[in-house]
Amino acid sequence: AQSVAQPEDQVNVAEGNPLTVKCTYSVSGNPYLFWYVQYPNRGLQFLLKYITGDNLVKGSYGFEAEFNKSQTSFHLKKPSALVSDSALYFCAVRPIGRGYSTLTFGKGTMLLVSP
Amino acid sequence: DTAVSQTPKYLVTQMGNDKSIKCEQNLGHDTMYWYKQDSKKFLKIMFSYNNKELIINETVPNRFSPKSPDKAHLNLHINSLELGDSAVYFCASGGQGETGELFFGEGSRLTVL
Repeated sequence: AQSVAQPEDQVNVAEGNPLTVKCTYSVSGNPYLFWYVQYPNRGLQFLLKYITGDNLVKGSYGFEAEFNKSQTSFHLKKPSALVSDSALYFCAVRPIGRGYSTLTFGKGTMLLVSP
Repeated sequence: DTAVSQTPKYLVTQMGNDKSIKCEQNLGHDTMYWYKQDSKKFLKIMFSYNNKELIINETVPNRFSPKSPDKAHLNLHINSLELGDSAVYFCASGGQGETGELFFGEGSRLTVL
């Protein structure tokens, strides 16, 4: 079975500084990887995904993520954080070639960006 | 025009009651899901339907019964509600097969008293 680990419950960063939200995964075979963001009392919004090709994936709102197969990681990054980036971030994995398998989510990491 | 819409947004009810949550998507996707988000924000898949057919049924009590009248709708009915059912329930839809991302509704917050 696949799983996702987000080792940090919370990440604190000052506005304007770079941010990283960590994600590692476990899956049989190769994965499809996703990042979502959830603002308070809202549904999850898709940020970006890794399917194949370039290991550096760019997504919405200036976010990017780097797929590292040897470290089974897919960390989310942004060069310069905004206060409005404060939210709950979820990493998710789906194994390739499993038909109708669903996304399995990590437990989430709260990002707090201070002014 | 909302892509995935759920109703109601809030439900407050007594233990033992029955309640339903409705979900509709206008994205033309074949696959729809129900996820449960608990008080610690952990997301767990409950059910998945593909073209009205149940394809994923995780370990969920029989009191939970999904129903898909057509591929644009996936409703969730819960019988004999318990305190532990209190959570936010998210409907989602997905297309493009395995590589496609999911699109989530805004959630339905269920509180069982």
